[in-house]
Amino acid sequence: QLVLTQSPSASASLGASIKLTCTLDSGHKNFAIAWHQQRSEKGPRFLMKLGSDGSQTKGDGIPDRFSGSSSGSERYLTISSLQSEDEADYYCQTWGTGFHVVFGGGTKLTVL
Amino acid sequence: EVQLVESGGGLVQPGRSLRLSCVASGFTFNEHAMHWVRRTPGKGLEWVSGVSWASENMAYADSVKGRFTISRDNARNSLYLQMDSLRVEDTAFYYCVKDRGSSGAEYFQQWGQGTLVTVSS
Repeated sequence: QLVLTQSPSASASLGASIKLTCTLDSGHKNFAIAWHQQRSEKGPRFLMKLGSDGSQTKGDGIPDRFSGSSSGSERYLTISSLQSEDEADYYCQTWGTGFHVVFGGGTKLTVL
Repeated sequence: EVQLVESGGGLVQPGRSLRLSCVASGFTFNEHAMHWVRRTPGKGLEWVSGVSWASENMAYADSVKGRFTISRDNARNSLYLQMDSLRVEDTAFYYCVKDRGSSGAEYFQQWGQGTLVTVSS
């Protein structure tokens, strides 16, 4: 069963960096994922597609402060030089055959 | 600029129906699969339904199967979601989403701002 696991919450200080993790189940550790950001009262925004080899395809206008990396079944989103506007919920998403779509539970990022 | 604009949300009683619409612009609509995704209060994102570029393939989450119907009109650059037999647990923001792919699901490239559906007596 295709499953994505995320920690419910994370926090870091203004100007610092943070690395969020999305974990694929062991049977699908080679799958690509996508990262999405959802700020309060806003629609989600596509950040990037992240492959198992760490290759990234970013959405339009996504700053260089956002980067992705991969290791085994884990997919990471690193945000550097944290700004107050980065406070949001971050979701990973993956897909199987046909219309099989899975979201992680989301990580609520607090910028201190 | 890619834009997805949803409409049709509102307050409705349990058991009643509602039809959501999404108008797309800024890209070639008939080259992409499209989806509806919802976010319920206090919870995360849930995929609801998807349709391929030519409507030959459609799929639904188990939670809405048999009650919701997705459709699209490529001539009008529009996506629809007919929601029947609505339940309190269908209360959510509903987002129209553009897929990178055309025939099935891949990654979601663009989201709308959402329309709120509230099911309550």
